Amino acid sequence: EIVLTQSPGTLSLSPGERATLSCRASQSVSSNYLAWYQQKLGQAPRLLIYGASSRAAGIPDRFSGSGSGTDFTLTISRLEPEDFAVYYCQQYGSSHLTFGGGTKVEIK
Amino acid sequence: QVQLQESGPGLVRPSETLSLTCAVSGYSISSGYYWGWIRQPPGKGLEWIGYIYHSGSTFYNPSLKSRVTISVDTSKNQFSLRLSSVTAADTAVYYCARLRPASIGSYPDYWGQATLVTVSS
Repeated sequence: EIVLTQSPGTLSLSPGERATLSCRASQSVSSNYLAWYQQKLGQAPRLLIYGASSRAAGIPDRFSGSGSGTDFTLTISRLEPEDFAVYYCQQYGSSHLTFGGGTKVEIK
Repeated sequence: QVQLQESGPGLVRPSETLSLTCAVSGYSISSGYYWGWIRQPPGKGLEWIGYIYHSGSTFYNPSLKSRVTISVDTSKNQFSLRLSSVTAADTAVYYCARLRPASIGSYPDYWGQATLVTVSS
């Protein structure tokens, strides 16, 4: 099983600031098969990024993903009020899918 | 637009079997993709349960494999989850999802709105 560790647990930022979220895998993620999701309170997760760096349909370009191997990053270039939420990474480089524990981005 | 809707009992007794169904609209299950279940205990993170292809091939989380069965009914365009011998640890919000296949695993691209299942006597 590939264990994904997300950091920090909580990120306190102001609207307009840049957010950098980390996802580290316990072993290399095959083909960089890493996705990112946004979850707001009481809602289902929404796919943001797949393949480590490809934006899903309808996702604003202020969201970007990068990384390879075991280290991946989700960057939100300028936080909008609607971006304050919990973010999860997920690897699909093995048939045993796993999710990270999440990073909460909260208003400072 | 693909839509998924979970249904099933909100309360299950310990040691019994949890059964949920996911109705799909806007896309035919027979056309492809994987169809699966993910859960989230209250206040915690996401856990993959398993997924199925329209042909019936299944992939289960090893930690749940002995208790999980996912099946598909293409005539009704729906799929189902059965989780046996439940305990309080199975209390969670359960999501059904469409998963986009990759060469190895898959990732959810459409999610249902979820249903809360509580295990309690």
